[in-house]
Amino acid sequence: DAGVTQSPTHLIKTRGQHVTLRCSPISGHKSVSWYQQVLGQGPQFIFQYYEKEERGRGNFPDRFSARQFPNYSSELNVNALLLGDSALYLCASKTGGADTQYFGPGTRLTVL
Amino acid sequence: GQQLNQSPQSMFIQEGEDVSMNCTSSSIFNTWLWYKQDPGEGPVLLIALYKAGELTSNGRLTAQFGITRKDSFLNISASIPSDVGIYFCADNTGNQFYFGTGTSLTVIP
Repeated sequence: DAGVTQSPTHLIKTRGQHVTLRCSPISGHKSVSWYQQVLGQGPQFIFQYYEKEERGRGNFPDRFSARQFPNYSSELNVNALLLGDSALYLCASKTGGADTQYFGPGTRLTVL
Repeated sequence: GQQLNQSPQSMFIQEGEDVSMNCTSSSIFNTWLWYKQDPGEGPVLLIALYKAGELTSNGRLTAQFGITRKDSFLNISASIPSDVGIYFCADNTGNQFYFGTGTSLTVIP
């Protein structure tokens, strides 16, 4: 079975631009979470979605938004990009009641 | 939010040596998860712990859920070069996962 997939793998944007990152969960997983990982730090929770509804939100500004589609794939949108948004963005999926989640390879976003 | 502190921050060891790292939290946890992350990749789950005092092994890896429920350790026996990476502890509280600060492991052949 395929694991969690993310696209694109790398992305370069300039300040003020908008970006959309995509994630496909493991087949059968209905929960998707997004994380931001700045170099040298652990992943920081951004959002969790389950059955297309937001179930959790981390301490990120409103420039960050997400949604989940009927097929359980998900998009993370970031508006008005700042230099500090440069990071590895990770998506993770799990079954609804599970305590463990499985990560994709991430999208490396560079903001110039 | 939860604070997870890992120590040591980094380790340099000879191949074949045993490794021990730990994680402490500011709050009581119901779950302890240990992940390994290779450069440019997402974290991979190594071990999950669900009960205070639980000791679980996965090959050369052993992890324990502290009885106070505020700490956990991960041991790696007979380290090999592919053990290189960053090890994170994590907790699932409500709908959020919290990750520790990470321990970077370098294995010298």
